[in-house]
Amino acid sequence: GAGVSQSPRYKVTKRGQDVALRCDPISGHVSLYWYRQALGQGPEFLTYFNYEAQQDKSGLPNDRFSAERPEGSISTLTIQRTEQRDSAMYRCASSLLAGAAEQYFGPGTRLTVT
Amino acid sequence: QKEVEQDPGPLSVPEGAIVSLNCTYSNSAFQYFMWYRQYSRKGPELLMYTYSSGNKEDGRFTAQVDKSSKYISLFIRDSQPSDSATYLCAMSRDHDKVIFGPGTSLSVIP
Repeated sequence: GAGVSQSPRYKVTKRGQDVALRCDPISGHVSLYWYRQALGQGPEFLTYFNYEAQQDKSGLPNDRFSAERPEGSISTLTIQRTEQRDSAMYRCASSLLAGAAEQYFGPGTRLTVT
Repeated sequence: QKEVEQDPGPLSVPEGAIVSLNCTYSNSAFQYFMWYRQYSRKGPELLMYTYSSGNKEDGRFTAQVDKSSKYISLFIRDSQPSDSATYLCAMSRDHDKVIFGPGTSLSVIP
């Protein structure tokens, strides 16, 4: 079956613009996670959902970042008024069971803010 | 002090060698311990998953957890060039967020 997909794969935007990153998890997976990964570092937790409910958003850097998963499937991570420091790889993962440690990662979206 | 520490390497070994990768952590509440492998330009993929202390073996891979020392290890036997990747340890307290280490870059030389 299909794995986790993310779109776009690459996004270049100008400072101050808003961007929306999309994640389509594995069908039937309960939990969906967003991470940010800098080069040479491990994924840094941002937020996660069980079904449509946001369980933990403690990793979101500031109030310019938000995420939603309105129907418990596809999720969107939105960054408002982008800044150069937001440039990174944004990764999505999903797990079959709620809050399970066994997560399946998507290919990521490389965001570049110029 | 970061919650999860890992030697970034790079680690270079000859084909067939036994590789030992390690992580230390500070939060004694962690109960679930994972090892992920990440090839260049790809997302992490789960290799091993253990709960609490003890050993787990899967083929050429063995994961060890020592909660008393807050230390986890991954051993790779008969290493192959295809094992060349970054290895990330990860852990969580319960059914909540997962914290990753920074990763160790491994090269297995034919």
